[in-house]
Amino acid sequence: DGGITQSPKYLFRKEGQNVTLSCEQNLNHDAMYWYRQDPGQGLRLIYYSQIVNDFQKGDIAEGYSVSREKKESFPLTVTSAQKNPTAFYLCASSAGRVNEQFFGPGTRLTVL
Amino acid sequence: SQELEQSPQSLIVQEGKNLTINCTSSKTLYGLYWYKQKYGEGLIFLMMLQKGGEEKSHEKITAKLDEKKQQSSLHITASQPSHAGIYLCGINEKLTFGTGTRLTIIP
Repeated sequence: DGGITQSPKYLFRKEGQNVTLSCEQNLNHDAMYWYRQDPGQGLRLIYYSQIVNDFQKGDIAEGYSVSREKKESFPLTVTSAQKNPTAFYLCASSAGRVNEQFFGPGTRLTVL
Repeated sequence: SQELEQSPQSLIVQEGKNLTINCTSSKTLYGLYWYKQKYGEGLIFLMMLQKGGEEKSHEKITAKLDEKKQQSSLHITASQPSHAGIYLCGINEKLTFGTGTRLTIIP
């Protein structure tokens, strides 16, 4: 079955620690995205990548970093510089930027 | 930047009733996507509208794009418990999403 997976489903971290969220897709999509969702708000774009070894900052990239070494994988690191990291993080992929996006199940990050 | 505002923010509807969700853009709409999200899960693609006046239907859900009003509407006929969730409009090219409408269906 083709799809997009995120792990873990729930993640807890202590303040001041970096943490990496995994996102893998086997849809052969070129484009991948990371969004953050907070209660009462829509999705906000963190980073996106349209091709391997290339990525661009979204609206709220500060305190986050990404890599795109393989087509299938687009991990997101939440660094200690992110002031308010507790949120629901969604990864998505698409064949191209104008095509519909396929979303993973999300990772809920809680900073203790 | 282009912004999308959805209304209402929250909607409680009795099972079997019809309902409409609106998505209004701050700039001209050339195309729009509708997604549905179950709480705590990812988004599921519903429909894509690509030109003004376009209307698409899938089962009991109909979406329309009114480019003159810079607005899209999502209409659900004879609502069912399975329709409950959060509905989001989005412009994929701009990587922009609306704030979402939370739909609750009551017996």
